[in-house]
Amino acid sequence: EVQLVESGGGLVQPGGSLRLSCAASGFTLSSSWMSWVRQAPGKGLECVATIKQGGSDKYYVDSVKGRFTISIDNAENSLYLQMNSLRAEDTAVYYCARGSGISWGQGTLVTVSS
Amino acid sequence: DVVMTQSPLSLPVTLGQPASISCRSSQSLVHSDGNTYFNWFQQRPGQSPRRLIYKVFNRDSGVPDRFSGSGSGTDFTLKISRVETEDVGVYFCMQHTHWPWTFGQGTKVEI
Repeated sequence: EVQLVESGGGLVQPGGSLRLSCAASGFTLSSSWMSWVRQAPGKGLECVATIKQGGSDKYYVDSVKGRFTISIDNAENSLYLQMNSLRAEDTAVYYCARGSGISWGQGTLVTVSS
Repeated sequence: DVVMTQSPLSLPVTLGQPASISCRSSQSLVHSDGNTYFNWFQQRPGQSPRRLIYKVFNRDSGVPDRFSGSGSGTDFTLKISRVETEDVGVYFCMQHTHWPWTFGQGTKVEI
């Protein structure tokens, strides 16, 4: 059974950093496109970063380019999102998703506030 | 960026009756490989999104056959043939033909 479990969210001050993790089981992460999708409170969905299977190509939405980095650790079968220079508008539940959304984790809440 | 526009944004439904949601994209979603990378998702209250339909009309495993997807190019539709109580939630369309992948605003389906 495919499972995705996110962790690493929390409260951080503006300008701070957080590293989100997504532990995968039931499949090999590097064999799939993987994405981080966020949902601000009461709002819609936004795909902020995607990594191609194998990890060769990475894509970022303009609003996070230069601040967020998506990566994979094959040994841990885990996906990461390093978030730097966080802003209030980054406040959201962050989901990791497999492929074009065939599987989702339960999400982890990131709150950016002083 | 490709803008995905859903209508209606709120959809009151009657149990046992059909329902339909429309999604329009600001540019064609036909990829250079010939595929149209367009999905529908359901998000029940307090839950993560769940993919219902991929590549316009393909139902995911375990999705009831009362859900169907159709459309082409820039215009797409999700139909529920007979609404059930468990169908309450927000429905999102999504394109992954062009980067960044983008979602519609969501349609809230309520009884």
